[in-house]
Amino acid sequence: DQQVKQNSPSLSVQEGRISILNCDYTNSMFDYFLWYKKYPAEGPTFLISISSIKDKNEDGRFTVFLNKSAKHLSLHIVPSQPGDSAVYFCAAIRPSGSARQLTFGSGTQLTVLP
Amino acid sequence: DSGVTQTPKHLITATGQRVTLRCSPRSGDLSVYWYQQSLDQGLQFLIQYYNGEERAKGNILERFSAQQFPDLHSELNLSSLELGDSALYFCASSAGRGAYEQYFGPGTRLTVT
Repeated sequence: DQQVKQNSPSLSVQEGRISILNCDYTNSMFDYFLWYKKYPAEGPTFLISISSIKDKNEDGRFTVFLNKSAKHLSLHIVPSQPGDSAVYFCAAIRPSGSARQLTFGSGTQLTVLP
Repeated sequence: DSGVTQTPKHLITATGQRVTLRCSPRSGDLSVYWYQQSLDQGLQFLIQYYNGEERAKGNILERFSAQQFPDLHSELNLSSLELGDSALYFCASSAGRGAYEQYFGPGTRLTVT
C-alpha cells in the first residue's frame, strides 16, 4: 500500500522554464512533508519542507505548495537549470513521540534541457 | 556534503555472510535513521535510534539489527545475507526531538553474490 505517490516517473523541462513536480498522499495522519533531490550514487539531499499547518513555503528558486483537502503537494522550481536534473523524492512524516521516519514516494526523474 | 559519513562505500560479500555498516551522524544530531534503497522497493525506512535508544522500526528483517553507541555513531548489522539484500543502504541524521529534516549520508552499496 503506497501511502505517498509520485505518479510521474519522469519530466522534461526547458532551461529557464518552470518545473512542477507532484506528489499525492493517502494517510491523513501525515503532518510534515519534505522534498529531496538525488543524484546517482549519492545520498538524497534535503531541499525544502512544509508543515501541514501551512500551504506554501518558499526558499529561493524552490516553492512547495500543500493542499491538505486534496492530499496533494507540489514542488515548483523557477527558473529551472540544467544542474537541477536529478531524481526528486517527496516524503512524509507521521510523528509519534520522537519517531520521525520518512515515507518516500517512488521519485520523479527531472531532466532540464539546455 | 551533508556532514553524515558512512563506511564502507562499497561492500561485496557472499550469501550467508554477515556484514556491518557504519554511520556517523552530523555533529550534535541525536537521531540516526537507516534506509534501504532497492530497485523494486524504492527508499524504505528500516529503523530509528534517538540518543542510544530505538525509537521506530520499519520494514527491517529479523536478520538485520542496529545499535547506536554513546558517541552517537550507529552500526547496521546484516546477517545470513541473501541475494535480495543487495541494495543501497543510507544513514540519515536529524537534530533533537522536534527536528523533522533528515540529512543523508552517501550510502553503502552492498552486493551479495
